[in-house]
Amino acid sequence: DTAVSQTPKYLVTQMGNDKSIKCEQNLGHDTMYWYKQDSKKFLKIMFSYNNKELIINETVPNRFSPKSPDKAHLNLHINSLELGDSAVYFCASSHRPGRGYGYTFGSGTRLTVV
Amino acid sequence: KNEVEQSPQNLTAQEGEFITINCSYSVGISALHWLQQHPGGGIVSLFMLSSGKKKHGRLIATINIQEKHSSLHITASHPRDSAVYICAVPPEYSGGGADGLTFGKGTHLIIQP
Repeated sequence: DTAVSQTPKYLVTQMGNDKSIKCEQNLGHDTMYWYKQDSKKFLKIMFSYNNKELIINETVPNRFSPKSPDKAHLNLHINSLELGDSAVYFCASSHRPGRGYGYTFGSGTRLTVV
Repeated sequence: KNEVEQSPQNLTAQEGEFITINCSYSVGISALHWLQQHPGGGIVSLFMLSSGKKKHGRLIATINIQEKHSSLHITASHPRDSAVYICAVPPEYSGGGADGLTFGKGTHLIIQP
């Protein structure tokens, strides 16, 4: 029944490793997003993906790459993990950006790089 | 780029008090979102509003589009209302850039029994 589901919920890994976080939505939404929440709880957009169009926030390092096998999935792959990547990552979806459409968030993935 | 300012950043109140959290933004928008995040928890959408006022239980959200300002009120606050409250604005229909929400820095609310 979960509308936007992320896995895993917790991820602890060593520096330099490559890891992926999976996200799936069953709402039929057109657009999916990845957000990063830092230690001060501040949220920032990383990517949006709409109808196979990827829009990237220019501040995101190219070690981060979203992959969308279909409209219902947007996975986040991270190469060569660094200590500063430790954060909570939220997936979300909406029908369309802006124009008064609601957003639904996943429960978050807490990534700890040691 | 829309700048979103929230106040206060931190708020501690006693159970039963009336709570107000404010949010202002710099660029006109179609709608504004209020979100709630409990400690260690996910993000829940409380309201999306484009004009006037919305009410859900003890929560009331208002918006003044002309003044680019919104408020979230909690009546008869309860310890279970303790959470981070975040206002967010969507991208305007302009294309370009990552089309996600722009968030305020959040208000950490603690309601003491």
